[in-house]
Amino acid sequence: GNSVTQMEGPVTLSEEAFLTINCTYTATGYPSLFWYVQYPGEGLQLLLKATKADDKGSNKGFEATYRKETTSFHLEKGSVQVSDSAVYFCALSDLGYQKVTFGTGTKLQVIP
Amino acid sequence: DTGVSQDPRHKITKRGQNVTFRCDPISEHNRLYWYRQTLGQGPEFLTYFQNEAQLEKSRLLSDRFSAERPKGSFSTLEIQRTEQGDSAMYLCASSLSSGANVLTFGAGSRLTVL
Repeated sequence: GNSVTQMEGPVTLSEEAFLTINCTYTATGYPSLFWYVQYPGEGLQLLLKATKADDKGSNKGFEATYRKETTSFHLEKGSVQVSDSAVYFCALSDLGYQKVTFGTGTKLQVIP
Repeated sequence: DTGVSQDPRHKITKRGQNVTFRCDPISEHNRLYWYRQTLGQGPEFLTYFQNEAQLEKSRLLSDRFSAERPKGSFSTLEIQRTEQGDSAMYLCASSLSSGANVLTFGAGSRLTVL
């Protein structure tokens, strides 16, 4: 079946540091890929998405590129802020069955 | 539109009791998903509907769990004979069948089984 593997957290960075959170996936066909974010005390919300190979999703300074050859969708941000502290989830949507599978999440803490 | 609504937000029950959660999706969304999330884990898929049809149900889901979406609008998730291991956050999400299947989540219903 489909699966998503994320790097384990927590990740602690100083403000303005570079962020990478690794995500790899296993799926049949060509799924859509997503990053969702859960801020403290809030519900899950979409951060960015990519629907086909080589697409780059971006939002709020975050980026991720759909790499079919390495089955990866790593999340990056050039300069993190304290307000980016949250849990980040990588996810995929199977085009056939439309079931959405999530990774276990990576907690990011940004310190001033 | 007010987004995805879930009720109740928190339910405390004794082991062996039945509980029911309700989800009202975004009105134009035809897909509705239920997930379970425990502390430190990602959302675990339970089931999903397209309109009123339940298209997939997790094999991990015991027979004590049942979900309905009778008119293709709101949905209910019932847990019978609750166990302490059922304590979790139950998340509902909805989406459109067209496009990239972006899920909009509700705030969740937290279940505590004593």
